[in-house]
Amino acid sequence: RKEVEQDPGPFNVPEGATVAFNCTYSNSASQSFFWYRQDCRKEPKLLMSVYSSGNEDGRFTAQLNRASQYISLLIRDSKLSDSATYLCVVNILRLPGGGADGLTFGKGTHLIIQP
Amino acid sequence: EAQVTQNPRYLITVTGKKLTVTCSQNMNHEYMSWYRQDPGLGLRQIYYSMNVEVTDKGDVPEGYKVSRKEKRNFPLILESPSPNQTSLYFCASSQNPGTMGSPLHFGNGTRLTVT
Repeated sequence: RKEVEQDPGPFNVPEGATVAFNCTYSNSASQSFFWYRQDCRKEPKLLMSVYSSGNEDGRFTAQLNRASQYISLLIRDSKLSDSATYLCVVNILRLPGGGADGLTFGKGTHLIIQP
Repeated sequence: EAQVTQNPRYLITVTGKKLTVTCSQNMNHEYMSWYRQDPGLGLRQIYYSMNVEVTDKGDVPEGYKVSRKEKRNFPLILESPSPNQTSLYFCASSQNPGTMGSPLHFGNGTRLTVT
């Protein structure tokens, strides 16, 4: 099983609709979780961190389910400008000497908001 | 303005001709990292550095070198580029990666083509 998995999509959603997608992670010792947004051919940018109790930022809501090992992102009242790829990032503990700093990116979910 | 600056933005080169992609950050971040992004494979880490003179391999380090002689700069060196290194490269920095409130800041990306 891959460390961080996302449905690649694309998700085609009409403007104004609500859309949600998940990201599953394999390591139960994962400590912190983030959603990044990446526009086509541009650099990723932090959308929001995901707190244990869930958190909301305007139209965006992030949830963490530790028991089932997934995080989710919900977008309400979607706008055309929400069209982008959404990357799940998980900070996974690694064994000493195992290399890598623990930040693992999902491959991203491509969202297309249609007028 | 806080930023991560990569140069060049676009580079076309031939197999075997050594090249360097520069990365500089002005936020006094201790952590810097290089990623490559390929269709269907997502972001994969090449090398990272937790501080000056401290570097470590990421998931795909073969064919790359890095150095961290000063805090602000983290160049990526391809001693003998090959066509399979054609990719979109991102440099990123953070004060404390993987912790809430300390996001990764990415450069604008370098699109490298090796013929």
